[in-house]
Amino acid sequence: DIQMTQSPSSLSASVGDRVTITCRASQGIRNSLAWYQQKPGKAPKLLLFAASKLGSGVPSRFSGSGSGTDYTLTISSLQPEDFATYYCQHYFGTPYNFGQGTKLEIK
Amino acid sequence: EVHLVESGGGLVQPGGSLRLSCVASESTFSDDAMNWVRQAPGKGLEWVSYISSRSRTIDYADSVRGRFTISRDNAKNSLFLQMNSLRVEDTAVYYCARVIDAFLGYYGMDVWGQGTTVTIAS
Repeated sequence: DIQMTQSPSSLSASVGDRVTITCRASQGIRNSLAWYQQKPGKAPKLLLFAASKLGSGVPSRFSGSGSGTDYTLTISSLQPEDFATYYCQHYFGTPYNFGQGTKLEIK
Repeated sequence: EVHLVESGGGLVQPGGSLRLSCVASESTFSDDAMNWVRQAPGKGLEWVSYISSRSRTIDYADSVRGRFTISRDNAKNSLFLQMNSLRVEDTAVYYCARVIDAFLGYYGMDVWGQGTTVTIAS
C-alpha cells in the first residue's frame, strides 16, 4: 500500500499570506494525486487533481505541483474562507489512501 | 450539477448490520465510478470502497473487506454499502463520492454527498 504523509500537520497564517502544504508518497505515484479542502461539519471539496489541474470552480489562487513522490499545494494569497483542513489523496491504485490532513488556522 | 444524497445511517450494536444508500440526482450516474469514504469523529478521511460504472471492478479497504459489500443500481441512480459484522471502530460519517473520470484515469472525487452518520455502540 502507498502511504501519504502531509506536512505540516497544522499551520497558522494570516490573510494575504502565501502558504504551501507538502504531501509525500511512500512510492512514486505519477501525478495521481488530488487535494481536498474540508470545513467543519462539511463534506470535502475537490481542489486539484492530477497534481496540478484545478477542480471546477476552484479559485486560481490554489495551485499544485510536484512529481514522483513529492507534491505541494500552494495558496498564493490566503482568503478568510480558506481556513480549513486540507487533505491529499493518491489514486495510483487501491487503497486510495489520504494524507493525515493539515489544519490551516488563522494567526 | 449532480447532487448525491446519502441515507441509512444510525445507531447499531456491535455485530449488527446497516445498509447505506446514495442517490444521484442525474441519470449520468450510470457512467460514473463511485467510492465510499468515511471519517471517524475528529479523525481524517479513510477510503472504504470503489465500484466501477458497470460494477465490473470492485475493491475494498482491508479494514472492511469481507464485512462490507458495495453495489449499485444504475436504473435507480443508486449506490449502496451493505455493512455487516459492525465494530465500534466503524463509527464514522460515511460519504459517497463520484470519481472524476475513470476513463481518463482521474480517480479523485469531484462530487460528494453530505454524509450519513453511523454509530456502533452497545
